[in-house]
Amino acid sequence: EDKVVQSPLSLVVHEGDTVTLNCSYEVTNFRSLLWYKQEKKAPTFLFMLTSSGIEKKSGRLSSILDKKELFSILNITATQTGDSAIYLCAVIMNYGGSQGNLIFGKGTKLSVKP
Amino acid sequence: GAVVSQHPSRVICKSGTSVKIECRSLDFQATTMFWYRQFPKQSLMLMATSNEGSKATYEQGVEKDKFLINHASLTLSTLTVTSAHPEDSSFYICSARRGRYGYTFGSGTRLTVV
Repeated sequence: EDKVVQSPLSLVVHEGDTVTLNCSYEVTNFRSLLWYKQEKKAPTFLFMLTSSGIEKKSGRLSSILDKKELFSILNITATQTGDSAIYLCAVIMNYGGSQGNLIFGKGTKLSVKP
Repeated sequence: GAVVSQHPSRVICKSGTSVKIECRSLDFQATTMFWYRQFPKQSLMLMATSNEGSKATYEQGVEKDKFLINHASLTLSTLTVTSAHPEDSSFYICSARRGRYGYTFGSGTRLTVV
């Protein structure tokens, strides 16, 4: 059964801390892995990772994929209260198998205290 | 950029009535749209995949007669919750696929059945 597992499920840190969120997966016909940030409404896109070992960065956020060990991490440095959200990891399978559907992990709820 | 408009954003209805949620791609054609449901503190669960001009594909455990999906054009998919009950109260989100692997989410609909 295809699955995406995120850890930890929740995390409380203080402003300025650095956090690492984990996402591991077991899927057939892996294509790409996506990270989303979800606050009150729909998820907003952060990163798409397709190749191993290539770090993607956007400001204080960065992410990398390891296709050999089947996981990805999302790093947030110098956290701010505005980073408080649920971070979702999703995997896209190759188009032919399942129409390219996303399989989501349960998410990591990050709370950043002032 | 790709925009998906979903409305209503919030709806309260009486038990036994039906509610229609619209998902519209504003600046691109979406041959495939996805409907998700999210319970509090849980991840997005795929309900069904709708393809323009054909019947939707429902995930296991999702009642197709209760959650009617219509994808009549390349820019519009609708989800109708028929004979809604309080247990149908949830957050519903659509996603449109742009190209092969690009996904854009609508802003979601908070349904409350009283």
